[in-house]
Amino acid sequence: QSVLTQPPSVSGAPGQRVTISCTGSSSNIGAGYDVHWYQQLPGTAPKLLIYGNSNRPSGVPDRFSGSKSGTSASLAISGLQAEDEADYYCQSYDSSLSGSVFGTGTKVTVL
Amino acid sequence: EVQLVESGGGLIQPGGSLRLSCAASGFTVSSNYMSWVRQAPGKGLEWVSVIYSGGSTYYADSVKGRFTISRDNSKNTLYLQMNSLRAEDTAVYYCASTRDDSSFDYWGQGTLVTVSS
Repeated sequence: QSVLTQPPSVSGAPGQRVTISCTGSSSNIGAGYDVHWYQQLPGTAPKLLIYGNSNRPSGVPDRFSGSKSGTSASLAISGLQAEDEADYYCQSYDSSLSGSVFGTGTKVTVL
Repeated sequence: EVQLVESGGGLIQPGGSLRLSCAASGFTVSSNYMSWVRQAPGKGLEWVSVIYSGGSTYYADSVKGRFTISRDNSKNTLYLQMNSLRAEDTAVYYCASTRDDSSFDYWGQGTLVTVSS
């Protein structure tokens, strides 16, 4: 079950900046648990993009940035490129479920 | 280099059982948190289960009582025993190493489980 809500889709022209929101509740993001973001290209496994709200693993371009406030988090992609066209998911821990929860997913389209 | 390779997926009838395996290389399964995550065709990601380094296990409500996560330290392999399978369990199943902050840093390529008569 997805308890983190994301917009189904966002789009932008090459070079533009887009943001994806992730809304949770008091048992996950609002409880202080970290938010992580994944990029999933068609037909491939998800890839960790942002961990601990705003940290980028080695090799992830600094065009990707994350933030968190209250019961929500956001992923920003600046300088949008054609290769960024993919599905993006947020994820956190939920104390009421004693496990992880994912967002509903957002498809990014580069116009 | 960390590598996770899943196997064991396939076509199974409703009510049947299947065991998925995830062979790890480049790190020690027993020293890390390990999880299973699934993705139904055309749908989003769903966390299934986690096993902590100390051996504690947790499950999503949708699989609790039917699925069992385990590991074989001598084989450096993670397992998911799936019983009483239902059509809604049809998905690609990924194993993933899990950091202390609950993020999934390394993923396998996935194995497809199809539950159908």
